[in-house]
Amino acid sequence: DTEVTQTPKHLVMGMTNKKSLKCEQHMGHRAMYWYKQKAKKPPELMFVYSYEKLSINESVPSRFSPECPNSSLLNLHLHALQPEDSALYLCASSQERGAGTGKNIQYFGAGTRLSVL
Amino acid sequence: SQQGEEDPQALSIQEGENATMNCSYKTSINNLQWYRQNSGRGLVHLILIRSNEREKHSGRLRVTLDTSKKSSSLLITASRAADTASYFCATDPNFGNEKLTFGTGTRLTIIP
Repeated sequence: DTEVTQTPKHLVMGMTNKKSLKCEQHMGHRAMYWYKQKAKKPPELMFVYSYEKLSINESVPSRFSPECPNSSLLNLHLHALQPEDSALYLCASSQERGAGTGKNIQYFGAGTRLSVL
Repeated sequence: SQQGEEDPQALSIQEGENATMNCSYKTSINNLQWYRQNSGRGLVHLILIRSNEREKHSGRLRVTLDTSKKSSSLLITASRAADTASYFCATDPNFGNEKLTFGTGTRLTIIP
């Protein structure tokens, strides 16, 4: 099973709403990632978890709050978002962060298309 | 920014032709990876080439790496309509905080 599952596939929310994005993998991977992608742009890294600990926060605004309840699950909690936060949010996982080992090949979910009104 | 640059930004070719896209980067690397993304979907890993390798093949894909020029190329031979997608290189730097850095991407369109 090389699948990363993201839910929901689409989300529309108002600027005062609170919502969560979910990501799940059962490959035994110990690194998980959140990316934000705007149209015709590359993915931008937001957060990295390694062994369930937050290891990278790319200066993401606090209205985005990640959570890693266990090694298979990754959540992204959203609150008071702005219209410019509308984007495709991608989750990925890899065996490890492991620089130079080849174990950082990333497996991506299909993404959540988020629209903030 | 450490982001790699890819060219061309967009490429349209006839089915059956070969497609070549290039990636240039700025830092020393452990490896370089190529990913494909179909419209609005997640990325799919295609191939990884290590810094001590110069060429690698996988099916219809051929990747080259020139670390002296800090560049890589991806060749897709005998293209098919299903190859229509965006292609991104991603560099794994051999310093710092061990994160992949994605290039700007090439949008490839295969005309049937």
